[in-house]
Amino acid sequence: GAGVSQSPSNKVTEKGKDVELRCDPISGHTALYWYRQSLGQGLEFLIYFQGNSAPDKSGLPSDRFSAERTGGSVSTLTIQRTQQEDSAVYLCASSLPGLAVEQYFGPGTRLTVT
Amino acid sequence: DQQVKQNSPSLSVQEGRISILNCDYTNSMFDYFLWYKKYPAEGPTFLISISSIKDKNEDGRFTVFLNKSAKHLSLHIVPSQPGDSAVYFCAATGTASKLTFGTGTRLQVTL
Repeated sequence: GAGVSQSPSNKVTEKGKDVELRCDPISGHTALYWYRQSLGQGLEFLIYFQGNSAPDKSGLPSDRFSAERTGGSVSTLTIQRTQQEDSAVYLCASSLPGLAVEQYFGPGTRLTVT
Repeated sequence: DQQVKQNSPSLSVQEGRISILNCDYTNSMFDYFLWYKKYPAEGPTFLISISSIKDKNEDGRFTVFLNKSAKHLSLHIVPSQPGDSAVYFCAATGTASKLTFGTGTRLQVTL
């Protein structure tokens, strides 16, 4: 079956612009996660959605970052007024309920802020 | 504060030999550990995991060892194959939700 998909695969934007990154999880996966990987760093947790529960936003680095998940499926990560330090690969993952530890990742969106 | 550490950024091993990738953690609340493998331009893929109630888990050529007292785990790949060349991430969780990842070790298996 189809895996996790993300779009766009690459995004170059000017400092100060807003960007939206999209994630389509695996069908039936109720848990959805966003991570980012900056150059030379590990994957950094950003936000976690589980079903209809309030999302865990504890990893969002600033209030310029927000995410929503519509209809329990597709998610959009929005970065407002982008800064150069936002340049990274943004990864989305999803998992089945109760098997949250085995997360399935999408290919990521490489964001470059110039 | 890096709670999961992979101190070797890279490792080169000959085909057929054993690859040993190491990972240390500092948070004693972590109770589940995973290894992910990542090829360029792809997302990480789950490889193998271990619960803190075990000290070893084996799956084919891959074995993960956990030493709770030392807060250390390792991934053994034997025999190593060229297709194993990738970046390997160690991850840990204490909540069965968000994962805390290490910085990765790039494994190169040479012919």
